[in-house]
Amino acid sequence: EVQLVQSGAEVKKPGESLKISCKGSGYNFARYWIGWVRQMPGKGLEWMGIIYPADSDTRYSPSFQGLVTISADKSINTAYLQWSSLKASDTAMYYCARLGYCSGVSCYSGYRFWFDPWGQGTLVTVSS
Amino acid sequence: DIVMTQSPDSLAVSLGERATINCKSSQSVLYSSDNKNYLAWYQHKPGQPPKVLIYWASTRESGVPDRFNGGGSGTDFTLTISSLQAEDVAVYYCQQYYSAPQTFGQGTKLEIK
Repeated sequence: EVQLVQSGAEVKKPGESLKISCKGSGYNFARYWIGWVRQMPGKGLEWMGIIYPADSDTRYSPSFQGLVTISADKSINTAYLQWSSLKASDTAMYYCARLGYCSGVSCYSGYRFWFDPWGQGTLVTVSS
Repeated sequence: DIVMTQSPDSLAVSLGERATINCKSSQSVLYSSDNKNYLAWYQHKPGQPPKVLIYWASTRESGVPDRFNGGGSGTDFTLTISSLQAEDVAVYYCQQYYSAPQTFGQGTKLEIK
């Protein structure tokens, strides 16, 4: 079974740094793009960026470029989302999700696919 | 960036009735090389991660009830729930995966009337 398991909830103060994780299992982690999606309280889903773990090719939304860093360690099947200096406005649920799909015995990777499956989400609260 | 606009923002439908959600993209998400629309629909319930319902604009994900149907092409798309069930209460999002950033619509909240 393809599964993404995210790290637990975090409570941080403004200005602190943070790195949350997303561990994949049940598939060749390096060969499928992984993305991050933000949901601020009471708001919709926002596409933050994606990474290809095999070579760390990364694409960011202009809205998040320079504000977060997406990385991956293919040796431990884990993707990361990190902040160097958190703000209260970073308070949100963050989801990771895989791109690509399998139909029968054929599997397709690439970034021009929908998100499936998703991790369970990591709630980040930033408050003084 | 491709802007995705859903309508309505919220919708209340009686049990057993039809629900229709619209999604419009600011540019075509139909790729001429494969004649596929790079458009997905997700269902998002409180306390759960989003779940893909439809991809390629009209292909139902395995296990999704056949009351969920996607249609449209180019820039205009619809998600139709033919006979609303109580468990369909959720927020629904369209997403284009034609080009990065692979933007979502703002969401449509579906409730029971």
